Amino acid sequence: SQQGEEDPQALSIQEGENATMNCSYKTSINNLQWYRQNSGRGLVHLILIRSNEREKHSGRLRVTLDTSKKSSSLLITASRAADTASYFCATDRGGQGFSFIFGKGTRLLVKP
Amino acid sequence: KAGVTQTPRYLIKTRGQQVTLSCSPISGHRSVSWYQQTPGQGLQFLFEYFSETQRNKGNFPGRFSGRQFSNSRSEMNVSTLELGDSALYLCASSSSTDTQYFGPGTRLTVL
Repeated sequence: SQQGEEDPQALSIQEGENATMNCSYKTSINNLQWYRQNSGRGLVHLILIRSNEREKHSGRLRVTLDTSKKSSSLLITASRAADTASYFCATDRGGQGFSFIFGKGTRLLVKP
Repeated sequence: KAGVTQTPRYLIKTRGQQVTLSCSPISGHRSVSWYQQTPGQGLQFLFEYFSETQRNKGNFPGRFSGRQFSNSRSEMNVSTLELGDSALYLCASSSSTDTQYFGPGTRLTVL
């Protein structure tokens, strides 16, 4: 079963506006990562936040993590048409190696 | 560095056939993971290989198998294909336990 669940499933905004996407998960995690996917292509890593961190920034991206609520949010500021894509959160429970669990993603449409 | 490459990019097979997909990781990366992406189930973890050994495995039937070679290149095999196996198969490589770098995927269509 999916661990990460993104909300909303789809989001449509105007260029220049901010976009906020949320992710909830079920079990304890080692870290949480956000990825972007354009039109069914490969995923591009955006940002990683560890379980002992609460907020992280990377350029126009801001990620928060609330482990007590088992939730994370991704904020894209001053969005551009090029930000149009699907955004996924992925959780890693830790231990040896990878076994990422992805949510079903938020489809973001940024209108010029 | 060159990114993760996957071959072929597109594949059409018929039910009952088998298929082999290939993934070349980023140079120096020893971990290779495979994921299946479908509209209905989203992205699901298949398995991960590290130094030619399967280190983690998802909840897929035994028809799905993989292997990794000494140069870290990996192959994934699906036997006795079913219509439901139509999907985008993504490979990801990593040099650490934090971040995975994904390839462009192989789009498999089963008729």
